[in-house]
Amino acid sequence: GENVEQHPSTLSVQEGDSAVIKCTYSDSASNYFPWYKQELGKGPQLIIDIRSNVGEKKDQRIAVTLNKTAKHFSLHITETQPEDSAVYFCAASMYYGQNFVFGPGTRLSVLP
Amino acid sequence: DGGITQSPKYLFRKEGQNVTLSCEQNLNHDAMYWYRQDPGQGLRLIYYSQIVNDFQKGDIAEGYSVSREKKESFPLTVTSAQKNPTAFYLCASSISSGNYEQYFGPGTRLTVT
Repeated sequence: GENVEQHPSTLSVQEGDSAVIKCTYSDSASNYFPWYKQELGKGPQLIIDIRSNVGEKKDQRIAVTLNKTAKHFSLHITETQPEDSAVYFCAASMYYGQNFVFGPGTRLSVLP
Repeated sequence: DGGITQSPKYLFRKEGQNVTLSCEQNLNHDAMYWYRQDPGQGLRLIYYSQIVNDFQKGDIAEGYSVSREKKESFPLTVTSAQKNPTAFYLCASSISSGNYEQYFGPGTRLTVT
């Protein structure tokens, strides 16, 4: 089955700097890759997602890139702010009837 | 407001007791999910339901049971057979299973002593 790895497990950046989190997946049939942000004591919220027919997607300060050949995708956050501090999860899924496989998460701390 | 709700937010039980966690959605979603999250860990799938009156075991179903009698409701029972029930439980829903966004509830933190 699908396996998703995520690195780094923790990341500290200075406010205003960029943050990059990387995920790799094992099953080349996966075609949907969401990123979730989870604040302390809350449920995860989708922040951006990408499907396998595109290589990059951007939404304001957040972007995701996908390399299907290498089977990895990355989350890029620019101009980080303290409110970006949270745990970020990547996931991969395929088609109807298949479930998400989540990565183990990255704890991002943005230092003022 | 459309969304997914879980209750209660905090739940305390004695060992050996069954406990049921509530999950309700008014998003008209077909698929619903239960995940378990342990401190510093990712999300592990307990059970999922693709449609009303149907549900399937996830990766860690032992010691848990569910029902899906109504489209909007997917309660999870943590039975006394679950060896380590203390955890943060998250319910989610999506328009359909597969590669569609999952919407998560706020979670229930269960503590069993």
